Amino acid sequence: KNQVEQSPQSLIILEGKNCTLQCNYTVSPFSNLRWYKQDTGRGPVSLTIMTFSENTKSNGRYTATLDADTKQSSLHITASQLSDSASYICVVGYSGYALNFGKGTSLLVTP
Amino acid sequence: DVKVTQSSRYLVKRTGEKVFLECVQDMDHENMFWYRQDPGLGLRLIYFSYDVKMKEKGDIPEGYSVSREKKERFSLILESASTNQTSMYLCASSPQTGSSYEQYFGPGTRLTVT
Repeated sequence: KNQVEQSPQSLIILEGKNCTLQCNYTVSPFSNLRWYKQDTGRGPVSLTIMTFSENTKSNGRYTATLDADTKQSSLHITASQLSDSASYICVVGYSGYALNFGKGTSLLVTP
Repeated sequence: DVKVTQSSRYLVKRTGEKVFLECVQDMDHENMFWYRQDPGLGLRLIYFSYDVKMKEKGDIPEGYSVSREKKERFSLILESASTNQTSMYLCASSPQTGSSYEQYFGPGTRLTVT
């Protein structure tokens, strides 16, 4: 069964600190991996999309990495801000239109 | 900017009612999707449409139907709402078929069935 596992389930950090979120997947065939940010009560918003040949991609303070050999990805957030408090969802695309969603990591940034 | 709008942010319906959830996108995208999101579960695909009047079942189509009469509008229909359909419903659109293309999400409709 295609699966996307995220860790930790939740995380609390102080404003200004860095953090790293993890994503492991067993989805095959692999097409691409995305990270979405979802604020409470809102729809997900894309942060990055990486294909098989890319191993890192940045979007401002967000940097995603991909190791297609070990089927692992991480999302690193630098100098966190209160507005980073959200759920971060790892999503793996495989065939056609199909996307396989992780359950998300809930991040709380405190003052 | 791509804009995907959903007709209601919050909706409360009674068991057995017919429920319509509307989604509109303004970027002339071919593909539109309906997902539901429940606590502790990832987003799950209900239905997908790749063209006007065309649809495909997703992972959990039971109890739902869809309608796409115009390219910009995709409706999700709960023929007879049940309490286990209480959920957050998210609509998305993308410009092309193929999972490499970005999917743009609407703000969601939180449906409660009592």
